[in-house]
Amino acid sequence: QKEVEQNSGPLSVPEGAIASLNCTYSDRGSQSFFWYRQYSGKSPELIMSIYSNGDKEDGRFTAQLNKASQYVSLLIRDSQPSDSATYLCAVRTSYDKVIFGPGTSLSVIP
Amino acid sequence: DTAVSQTPKYLVTQMGNDKSIKCEQNLGHDTMYWYKQDSKKFLKIMFSYNNKELIINETVPNRFSPKSPDKAHLNLHINSLELGDSAVYFCASSQIGTRDYGYTFGSGTRLTVV
Repeated sequence: QKEVEQNSGPLSVPEGAIASLNCTYSDRGSQSFFWYRQYSGKSPELIMSIYSNGDKEDGRFTAQLNKASQYVSLLIRDSQPSDSATYLCAVRTSYDKVIFGPGTSLSVIP
Repeated sequence: DTAVSQTPKYLVTQMGNDKSIKCEQNLGHDTMYWYKQDSKKFLKIMFSYNNKELIINETVPNRFSPKSPDKAHLNLHINSLELGDSAVYFCASSQIGTRDYGYTFGSGTRLTVV
């Protein structure tokens, strides 16, 4: 089992819709969870972090964490073409390494 | 005022050569990292330094040797370059403490071995 898995994509949503990105992890002792956005040819950029079960909202972005199910998600409301990018889920494991998932490519269609 | 800067941005070199990539951060972070992103966009950690001390050394060929002269700098030297070393190498930094604020990445170095 891979340590951090994401739905493979590509994910296409129409402009204005909600994009839902999912991530599961294998280390039950993981404590910190992150979503990074990476535009083509650019470096990853941190957009959300979450540490406690439940939802965390920041503007159009909502991160959701369920430690019992070992599941993290990112919702992007009112998706814009500028949100088109690869979204990387990252998990700091109990052995203090940050493991990245393979990423989900999101395309927002005008 | 770049937070994490890497040089060079592009590096094209022949097999068997030795090359170095430099990284500097001005965020005052205590931990720096090297990640490799392959053609499938998968980001994999290579090394991590905390206050100049090596704390993570993944299964990386010993042709790769990191050096941290101080906590603001982390360089990567690669000997005897191979075709499979072609990738984008990212430097990152973070502050390890009671709250984990995640990484700040440099702009990356695209290494092409021909």
